[in-house]
Amino acid sequence: KQEVTQIPAALSVPEGENLVLNCSFTDSAIYNLQWFRQDPGKGLTSLLLIQSSQREQTSGRLNASLDKSSGRSTLYIAASQPGDSATYLCAVISGGSNYKLTFGKGTLLTVNP
Amino acid sequence: GAGVSQSPRYKVAKRGQDVALRCDPISGHVSLFWYQQALGQGPEFLTYFQNEAQLDKSGLPSDRFFAERPEGSVSTLKIQRTQQEDSAVYLCASSITSGSSYEQYFGPGTRLTVT
Repeated sequence: KQEVTQIPAALSVPEGENLVLNCSFTDSAIYNLQWFRQDPGKGLTSLLLIQSSQREQTSGRLNASLDKSSGRSTLYIAASQPGDSATYLCAVISGGSNYKLTFGKGTLLTVNP
Repeated sequence: GAGVSQSPRYKVAKRGQDVALRCDPISGHVSLFWYQQALGQGPEFLTYFQNEAQLDKSGLPSDRFFAERPEGSVSTLKIQRTQQEDSAVYLCASSITSGSSYEQYFGPGTRLTVT
């Protein structure tokens, strides 16, 4: 059974700092990996989707990398801003289905002005 | 354009009551998913529809949970005889079709509290 782990569980940084969030998964036979953002009381917003054949994806100040063989992904946020404060969730699609997302518990990020 | 919408946004139910949660997917999206998110946890898969067909209900925690999508658009998740452990945020997602290449777009969720 696929298990997704995210560390740290919480992170607090001053504004302007670059930071890295980590995600690991136990079964490397994944179809894709997605990073989501969740704001309090709101649904999930997809940030980046990396297909299993890709190594990284970039969107603005965000860069996500994927090392499938070691079962790891990182989300790099450059020049963090208070508006980046949210919970960041990592999820993979793997196993017998090509649609079922398995999520980690998330990293709660606080960027202090 | 309009995203995925869910109603009600908040629901308080007394233990033993039945509840119905509604999801309106993005127009034209074939695939629809329900997830359950307990406090402090990541979402967990409940069930999947392709059009009106429920192709996977392996994540439904008990036979008190029932989902339908009779016309291949709006979906309803029903929970009978609610229990305290059912308290969670129920998230609905849709995608244009099935397959790992296609993003799932999530609604804001319904927060269910069972007292």
